[in-house]
Amino acid sequence: NAGVTQTPKFQVLKTGQSMTLQCAQDMNHNSMYWYRQDPGMGLRLIYYSASEGTTDKGEVPNGYNVSRLNKREFSLRLESAAPSQTSVYFCASRTLNSYTFGSGTRLTVV
Amino acid sequence: QQQVKQSPQSLIVQKGGISIINCAYENTAFDYFPWYQQFPGKGPALLIAIRPDVSEKKEGRFTISFNKSAKQFSLHIMDSQPGDSATYFCAASSGTSYDKVIFGPGTSLSVIP
Repeated sequence: NAGVTQTPKFQVLKTGQSMTLQCAQDMNHNSMYWYRQDPGMGLRLIYYSASEGTTDKGEVPNGYNVSRLNKREFSLRLESAAPSQTSVYFCASRTLNSYTFGSGTRLTVV
Repeated sequence: QQQVKQSPQSLIVQKGGISIINCAYENTAFDYFPWYQQFPGKGPALLIAIRPDVSEKKEGRFTISFNKSAKQFSLHIMDSQPGDSATYFCAASSGTSYDKVIFGPGTSLSVIP
């Protein structure tokens, strides 16, 4: 049971570089999410996709874009990374009111 | 109104003791209150949840107490064990939008032998 798989697990970027964080779930969930976790701030929603073909902004969407490639996959793109985007990023999927999270991507922007 | 407050920020408990984490919310539309447990290097995982129609829910050593009038809820961990050392997040959401669950800032729990 893989659940939610995120790649990569660690990444260091230089300011201005771009990258895509990948996420895939094998639980046939309709809804998928991207969160960032920063010390003392809990989990903040970046973008979500309630179903295949739809995406919506969350609390902190600036500087990010997303793509719901199919029902399984939901990617997060940083077009021009900034030091303020240094964080741990979690992908999640949801059934009813229960979220399943991936193990996270630790991103450092220098 | 969307904020969920959580305290303490960190907690150290002796093995066998009771760990208590408190949360408070403002939005009366919230009707589902889960707690997530996160171990280092892992994503959060659902631990236990409660709806406001009950005042208490117990699962093993974990109990949620809910006070609807005060808009507060708390997690009690009885007979705390070193394996319980983790970060705990309370959260709140409403049935009209489970897409927008609001998480508290988290409590780092350390259970020492």
